[in-house]
Amino acid sequence: SQKIEQNSEALNIQEGKTATLTCNYTNYSPAYLQWYRQDPGRGPVFLLLIRENEKEKRKERLKVTFDTTLKQSLFHITASQPADSATYLCALGSNFGNEKLTFGTGTRLTIIP
Amino acid sequence: GAVVSQHPSWVICKSGTSVKIECRSLDFQATTMFWYRQFPKQSLMLMATSNEGSKATYEQGVEKDKFLINHASLTLSTLTVTSAHPEDSSFYICSASTKTSGFSYEQYFGPGTRLTVT
Repeated sequence: SQKIEQNSEALNIQEGKTATLTCNYTNYSPAYLQWYRQDPGRGPVFLLLIRENEKEKRKERLKVTFDTTLKQSLFHITASQPADSATYLCALGSNFGNEKLTFGTGTRLTIIP
Repeated sequence: GAVVSQHPSWVICKSGTSVKIECRSLDFQATTMFWYRQFPKQSLMLMATSNEGSKATYEQGVEKDKFLINHASLTLSTLTVTSAHPEDSSFYICSASTKTSGFSYEQYFGPGTRLTVT
């Protein structure tokens, strides 16, 4: 069965350092992968989308890599700030045009001042 | 842009009653809307996919007679939890999808509705 795992349930990082979150998947051939941020009691907020033929995507302090051989995506936040503390979700989409996303378990990131 | 609203943001109801949750895309027309459920410290679980003017497609294990979805227009979808029970208590989140290019889509999520059934 399809499985999407994010490296750890919780991750604590010192302010200013780079936070790296991992998303691994099995039994899936995604056409694209997305990363979302979710704050407590709120809906997810879209951050970045990367397609299967792309290796890396950047947006300000965010960087996403996508390795379809390793079946893994890495999500980096550089120069992390306490305001970056949230739960981060990866989500995979297929190439069948049905728009459905399958979400990972999420990683709760805490940036320590 | 790409704002999705949900109403109400929270609701408490008695067991056996029905509750309706609205999801609106405020500044764009959504080709598809999705309904998710999220239990504490768990990820989002897709319940159903909704296209305007057609019947919703439910995920395996989701009772379509219990979770009624009506997609009235390109900007409005509603989820009605019928004969609610305490185990239906959860955080319900909708999203609206807009196609970016090719087969990739961005989904914009509503703020969620906290349902508590007593």
